[in-house]
Amino acid sequence: KNEVEQSPQNLTAQEGEFITINCSYSVGISALHWLQQHPGGGIVSLFMLSSGKKKHGRLIATINIQEKHSSLHITASHPRDSAVYICAVKMETSGSRLTFGEGTQLTVNP
Amino acid sequence: EAQVTQNPRYLITVTGKKLTVTCSQNMNHEYMSWYRQDPGLGLRQIYYSMNVEVTDKGDVPEGYKVSRKEKRNFPLILESPSPNQTSLYFCASSLWGSDYGYTFGSGTRLTVV
Repeated sequence: KNEVEQSPQNLTAQEGEFITINCSYSVGISALHWLQQHPGGGIVSLFMLSSGKKKHGRLIATINIQEKHSSLHITASHPRDSAVYICAVKMETSGSRLTFGEGTQLTVNP
Repeated sequence: EAQVTQNPRYLITVTGKKLTVTCSQNMNHEYMSWYRQDPGLGLRQIYYSMNVEVTDKGDVPEGYKVSRKEKRNFPLILESPSPNQTSLYFCASSLWGSDYGYTFGSGTRLTVV
């Protein structure tokens, strides 16, 4: 079992839909990251969370430390949101090492 | 422009021929790291560095070396590349501390034949 699990693996939505991507982890963490990987391969850091909720434009990330769970929400989705979204955690016991989920492939159709 | 610069973007080499992938950042970040990305396995951390002359192993360090002689540079060295090191490699940097995200380089696609 992976220490970081994402769901769903693949998600197809229509433009305008509200999207949720989930990330669960099995160990104590000091921080959780959400990353976006564009079709061309480039990776962008979206959020870093250690508690609560963060919002940037149409993107919202939440984390529940007790339940070991984080969600990434996209409101009013757009075809340009099509990308792979990756969750990564910095575990309390692993220093500065990051452990990654396998990613969620999101496709937003016009 | 604040960025992480990796070179080369694409590289095809032969087994056993030493190579270096360079990584440079212009943001005065303390933390730098290397990752490889493979289909079905996702991103995995190879090595990281918390500051000059401080490096540590990630999850898959075998077959790789790094050095951090200057704050801005963090090269990845493959002394004797093998085909199982064919992968997409990313360098990233960050300010030290839990509130900061990472800036990634554009990636290096390495093929070892």
